Amino acid sequence: AQRVTQPEKLLSVFKGAPVELKCNYSYSGSPELFWYVQYSRQRLQLLLRHISRESIKGFTADLNKGETSFHLKKPFAQEEDSAMYYCALSGRSYNTDKLIFGTGTRLQVFP
Amino acid sequence: SAVISQKPSRDICQRGTSLTIQCQVDSQVTMMFWYRQQPGQSLTLIATANQGSEATYESGFVIDKFPISRPNLTFSTLTVSNLSPEDSSIYLCSVNRYTEAFFGQGTRLTVV
Repeated sequence: AQRVTQPEKLLSVFKGAPVELKCNYSYSGSPELFWYVQYSRQRLQLLLRHISRESIKGFTADLNKGETSFHLKKPFAQEEDSAMYYCALSGRSYNTDKLIFGTGTRLQVFP
Repeated sequence: SAVISQKPSRDICQRGTSLTIQCQVDSQVTMMFWYRQQPGQSLTLIATANQGSEATYESGFVIDKFPISRPNLTFSTLTVSNLSPEDSSIYLCSVNRYTEAFFGQGTRLTVV
């Protein structure tokens, strides 16, 4: 079964601390994985995708197929990083563009 | 990118009634997706709306409860029928553009 698991509902850190938001997936095929973010009073938007291997706003995520993980990391958290983060998997191997989302992790960065 | 206008942004409805949510995209797209986000839970795909054909519903969602229209390549509606308090949720429409998903601002539905 296709599934995305985000074990932490809430992650609280102080500004300047490292951040790691965990994401594990279950998928029989070659997954495409994404992190989406929703800032307060804004719509859900793409943060980054694993195929791009890019760093966005200081965030990176590496796909680890052995551990079936796609954790989101940032070495030094900023207050403006406070938001809801969703890990998502695309069912592209099944010829569909639909996304399967995790339950989300709320990141709170305190000053 | 894709700009999606979704309305209404929120509504309070009586149980037993229906609410129709509209989603307008600024360019033509093949598929439009409707998601539900229940309080404290993840986004769950309700159905995929294709222009000119019946929508494809996910397990647990049926057309009688969530009828969808897709009259053209830039517009879709989702109706939530025979409302009950359990339908209180945020409903989102979404489209994909070059593997990136874009979302409407959501419709917050409260059923009383």
